[in-house]
Amino acid sequence: QQQVKQSPQSLIVQKGGIPIINCAYENTAFDYFPWYQQFPGKGPALLIAIRPDVSEKKEGRFTISFNKSAKQFSLHIMDSQPGDSATYFCAASKFRGTYKYIFGTGTRLKVLA
Amino acid sequence: NAGVTQTPKFQVLKTGQSMTLQCAQDMNHNSMYWYRQDPGMGLRLIYYSASEGTTDKGEVPNGYNVSRLNKREFSLRLESAAPSQTSVYFCASSDRGHEQFFGPGTRLTVL
Repeated sequence: QQQVKQSPQSLIVQKGGIPIINCAYENTAFDYFPWYQQFPGKGPALLIAIRPDVSEKKEGRFTISFNKSAKQFSLHIMDSQPGDSATYFCAASKFRGTYKYIFGTGTRLKVLA
Repeated sequence: NAGVTQTPKFQVLKTGQSMTLQCAQDMNHNSMYWYRQDPGMGLRLIYYSASEGTTDKGEVPNGYNVSRLNKREFSLRLESAAPSQTSVYFCASSDRGHEQFFGPGTRLTVL
């Protein structure tokens, strides 16, 4: 059972565009929502994360928007660059002795120069 | 600091063979995890260890076993490999915070 649904599967934008990746979750007990960035041949790395008590978080060119009532959150990349081309994963977690992530299926982003 | 290291980087097995994937972290983290990554499926949790001496099943534990050897090391064993276990395997670790730090992965092919 996929508890975190991510879309789109792939995305192509021009340099300077604002790609938006969306995720929806089912379990209202989730209390931490990170985004991970993965370059080819590498392990994922934390990009930005949010808790459900805030509606937006910005770190540099990356913004998470969070809609608790709709159980949705999204990643926006402002002024996208070719170096942002990577696969992005959303995730959700809740504490059960440790934080177990449920990942979305990933979005492959390509930013054209 | 090397962070999270995994060995081997690549491995080819025949159906029915066994092998152990090794993972070590030098960040003094309490929790460690094993994931598999398949196209279109994202990352799925196989097993995790919340602290030294404990292990628990994740989403897809069938066909795997784990050992938390000490605080630094967490190994994943395939007793009788099957083609369905062809995947990229990632180990990760975390401390009290939420962030999980991932290793570079092991690409496994089972023929």
